This record gives sequence, C-alpha cells and structure tokens, in this order.
Amino acid sequence: NAGVTQTPKFQVLKTGQSMTLQCAQDMNHEYMSWYRQDPGMGLRLIHYSVGAGITDQGEVPNGYNVSRSTTEDFPLRLLSAAPSQTSVYFCASYPDPGAPEKLFFGSGTQLSVL
Amino acid sequence: DAKTTQPPSMDCAEGRAANLPCNHSTISGNEYVYWYRQIHSQGPQYIIHGLKNNETNEMASLIITEDRKSSTLILPHATLRDTAVYYCIVRYNTNAGKSTFGDGTTLTVKP
Repeated sequence: NAGVTQTPKFQVLKTGQSMTLQCAQDMNHEYMSWYRQDPGMGLRLIHYSVGAGITDQGEVPNGYNVSRSTTEDFPLRLLSAAPSQTSVYFCASYPDPGAPEKLFFGSGTQLSVL
Repeated sequence: DAKTTQPPSMDCAEGRAANLPCNHSTISGNEYVYWYRQIHSQGPQYIIHGLKNNETNEMASLIITEDRKSSTLILPHATLRDTAVYYCIVRYNTNAGKSTFGDGTTLTVKP
C-alpha cells in the first residue's frame, strides 16, 4: 500500500508564483487534512476535509485554497506565493475522526519561496 | 482545545526509561490526552492516548494524574531510534485530523 503520497518532495518558487501541492491516499479515508511546519515548530492546521465536496478552514488558512472533488485527492493551492509560506507541508488522512491511531501522514513537501 | 506545556528538550541514556512530562491544567472533563512523535523530518506518528486511566501499549505507557492536570509519557527502555520530537495534545475525541501540534519536546537518546 502506498498510503498517503505527496508530490513534489521539494519545490522552489519565486514570490507571486502559484502552484499546487498534491496529496493522494489509497486507503479510502473520508477525512483529510493539510498542515504546515515551520523550522523548529510544531504543525499548524491549514485546511481539512470531512469528505468529497466538503472542506473547512483550519488555524492558518490565509493564502491557501483547497478542494476535494474525489475521496482520494486533496490538493493544496498556493495562489500567490510569499516568503512567509516557506515551510514543510504535510498531508494526512484518517478513516475515523475519533481514531487518533489511524491518522496517517505523508512524507511532506519542502517548499521554499524566494 | 486545552493548551499544553512541555519542556523544549530532554536527554535520556540508551536503555533507561524516558519520562516526558506534559502540563494541561485547563483540560476539561471530556478532553483526551494524546501523544504523537515526529522522527527527523517524517510526518507525526501516533503513540498512545487516554482519558482518565493510565494506559499502556507496545510502544509506551501514559500516566495521567488524578486531577488530570498533567501527564507523563514513559518509554520504558529508550533506544537511539526513539530520538524524536514528542507532542502532547489535549482535545475532544472528535476529528483526529484537526489536532493542534505545539512545539513539543525534543528527546535525545544518548549511547
């Protein structure tokens, strides 16, 4: 099983560019989340989804858009990249909101905005 | 969700027990205590969780004080591979993917 797959692993952008971070899971999980992790800090929730067609904002949503057209995919879009968005981005999926042991994370995307 | 306080770093000798404390003095009656860890640059990994009673699994033990205002994660025989950042999270038992991960404790296991 691939689990949660994030692409790309590394990305460098110039200020003002847009891009989409991809996240796909093959476990048929209803729930998915996006986090960012700045150096030396914990993870902060950007957006999450409780099923196809349903998304909501997390703690730090500004500058990011998400959509969930299928159960498998949950892409994160940066509309106009800023240096403050330099971070490592993690995607997670889980089948049951009350089952913390079933929270699976991808390997992360390291993004640098110059 | 209740706020947690953890020491920024701790050291432990290989083979000894690692005891990681967490304060959560504002915890409410229905909030659980969860522990995750993050090894190097990987995504966080679930360790254990509990509400009131002490819990044990194959990875660790969780000791929660009677007033539930603090807890301790115990790794009984730490190995070098246990070197990681350990996160203590307090929240209701709903929507695991909305967890807020604070700065955690960096545990360094030394030979």
